[in-house]
Amino acid sequence: DAKTTQPPSMDCAEGRAANLPCNHSTISGNEYVYWYRQIHSQGPQYIIHGLKNNETNEMASLIITEDRKSSTLILPHATLRDTAVYYCIVTPMYSGGGADGLTFGKGTHLIIQP
Amino acid sequence: DTAVSQTPKYLVTQMGNDKSIKCEQNLGHDTMYWYKQDSKKFLKIMFSYNNKELIINETVPNRFSPKSPDKAHLNLHINSLELGDSAVYFCASSQFSTDGEQFFGPGTRLTVL
Repeated sequence: DAKTTQPPSMDCAEGRAANLPCNHSTISGNEYVYWYRQIHSQGPQYIIHGLKNNETNEMASLIITEDRKSSTLILPHATLRDTAVYYCIVTPMYSGGGADGLTFGKGTHLIIQP
Repeated sequence: DTAVSQTPKYLVTQMGNDKSIKCEQNLGHDTMYWYKQDSKKFLKIMFSYNNKELIINETVPNRFSPKSPDKAHLNLHINSLELGDSAVYFCASSQFSTDGEQFFGPGTRLTVL
């Protein structure tokens, strides 16, 4: 079962920042937070991950609260192509993919409005 | 160049048939996976394969068997197809088995009639 809770859907205006929340209140010390997205009819795409510190890459920023019980994925300037289902995944540090694979929940369907 | 590729993209077949889906990755990764996405869009791990070590999700029927001819390929064989096998199947790879950054293929939509 997924260890995360996300809103089922969100809207965001094109050009604005999209802030996607994720609750992972039962996260343990050796677990990372990963974010993926799945655009319609495509395979999931890795976005970003983090452990404690905030992270930024060319796609997004990840803000993790100090107690690590929640995080927010930020797409700074959303475009129509960012419309997708976004998945927040918590996975152990030393078993990131291999032993158990990634556990995907229901995700948040982000719709970017023109 | 496509990093993770799957063939075929669509597969329509009759109940009881045996079919295979091929997956290839050109990333030089050590670990490959198969996931199933059902009609409700839930994405679940089926197998992971690393250095000839196969880890099977216990919920996967033994009609499903992955076969890896080499490190770049992990094919999925399905025997005696059932209606409930209809789904989209995704192959993925990661550099190491401990790496949560996985690269997914485009998926194979299997329809069993």
